[in-house]
Amino acid sequence: DGGITQSPKYLFRKEGQNVTLSCEQNLNHDAMYWYRQDPGQGLRLIYYSQIVNDFQKGDIAEGYSVSREKKESFPLTVTSAQKNPTAFYLCASSEGAERGGKPQHFGDGTRLSIL
Amino acid sequence: AQSVAQPEDQVNVAEGNPLTVKCTYSVSGNPYLFWYVQYPNRGLQFLLKYITGDNLVKGSYGFEAEFNKSQTSFHLKKPSALVSDSALYFCAVRDYMDSNYQLIWGAGTKLIIKP
Repeated sequence: DGGITQSPKYLFRKEGQNVTLSCEQNLNHDAMYWYRQDPGQGLRLIYYSQIVNDFQKGDIAEGYSVSREKKESFPLTVTSAQKNPTAFYLCASSEGAERGGKPQHFGDGTRLSIL
Repeated sequence: AQSVAQPEDQVNVAEGNPLTVKCTYSVSGNPYLFWYVQYPNRGLQFLLKYITGDNLVKGSYGFEAEFNKSQTSFHLKKPSALVSDSALYFCAVRDYMDSNYQLIWGAGTKLIIKP
């Protein structure tokens, strides 16, 4: 079945450490997104990519980095510069960001906590 | 500026009764509107969308939503609630003319269906 796979499901970060969250999709979607979800808040966009080898900052990109070397993969690195990384991170994809009527499909998230 | 409001943090409904989860939006142009559902520790699942055409949109699991342009609303409804409908519901909007192709998300409404 097609879908989006996020790993790991739970991740712990030590002070000063960078960690990378994996996101893989086999839906052949051009566009991919990373969101951060905090309790009582909606989803906040970290980064998005409309095509391979191109990505744009979202509303809260500081302290995060991404790459898009393959269509299927969009890993997110939470750097030590992100001082409050504890959150639920969601990856999504859609059929080309310019086709605004297409829904986004989500993975099951990675919950990141500080040790 | 584009925005989405879900005025109720929580909605409580008895099983078998009709339910409504409210959403209002603000965009400068024509909206694309979406409803998603999230179960605990899971990603979001797409329920339904309004792009154009009939103001009453039917979606998954018996849900429907009514687009009201004059009131800039897109309320989610279901004629008879099930306990299994208990979850977190998100409304999202995109301006048709927005070149950033981003969805703007509401803060979410927790729906509790009591047996």
